[in-house]
Amino acid sequence: AQKITQTQPGMFVQEKEAVTLDCTYDTSDQSYGLFWYKQPSSGEMIFLIYQGSYDEQNATEGRYSLNFQKARKSANLVISASQLGDSAMYFCAMTRSARQLTFGSGTQLTVLP
Amino acid sequence: NAGVTQTPKFQVLKTGQSMTLQCAQDMNHNSMYWYRQDPGMGLRLIYYSASEGTTDKGEVPNGYNVSRLNKREFSLRLESAAPSQTSVYFCASKIGTTDGNTIYFGEGSWLTVV
Repeated sequence: AQKITQTQPGMFVQEKEAVTLDCTYDTSDQSYGLFWYKQPSSGEMIFLIYQGSYDEQNATEGRYSLNFQKARKSANLVISASQLGDSAMYFCAMTRSARQLTFGSGTQLTVLP
Repeated sequence: NAGVTQTPKFQVLKTGQSMTLQCAQDMNHNSMYWYRQDPGMGLRLIYYSASEGTTDKGEVPNGYNVSRLNKREFSLRLESAAPSQTSVYFCASKIGTTDGNTIYFGEGSWLTVV
């Protein structure tokens, strides 16, 4: 069975600083995908970044990067130069064979002015 | 850019009533999903449909039924609503069955059962 763990229920960061949101996962599969989603207070789910288990390089999308450490089974999200609009709930998720997307419990990020 | 559209956005039901949440996507995606999100928790998969004509149970299927009406539409039915089904429901879709395909979510349906 797959399991995603996000150990930080809440995080604070000063505007313009970088922040790392932790995510560890547990799977016995060799092929899997890791996602990060952002959920603002309005409720919609916004895709941020994807990392495949066979990707050798860490994924990057603008100010978002994924620090993928396969041996440690971690997939931390790094947000550089935080903005007030980054305040939201962030979910780490994992999929295998696209049948299911398993989510972590989320981290509430608050960006302080 | 419609993407994934869910209706209704808000609904209040009495215990024992039935209702259907509708979901449609206009991206020609094969796979569709229904999730529920309870306060302070991540999303949990209720049912999914890997392709038109197929449906499978997810993590929390009890109390729900689904229909993949055609490639575009995937509905979720509560036959006899219970207060424990008070939640936010998200429909989602993706184009195929490989890990890398991005999943697109609807805006959510807020359901309260009293």
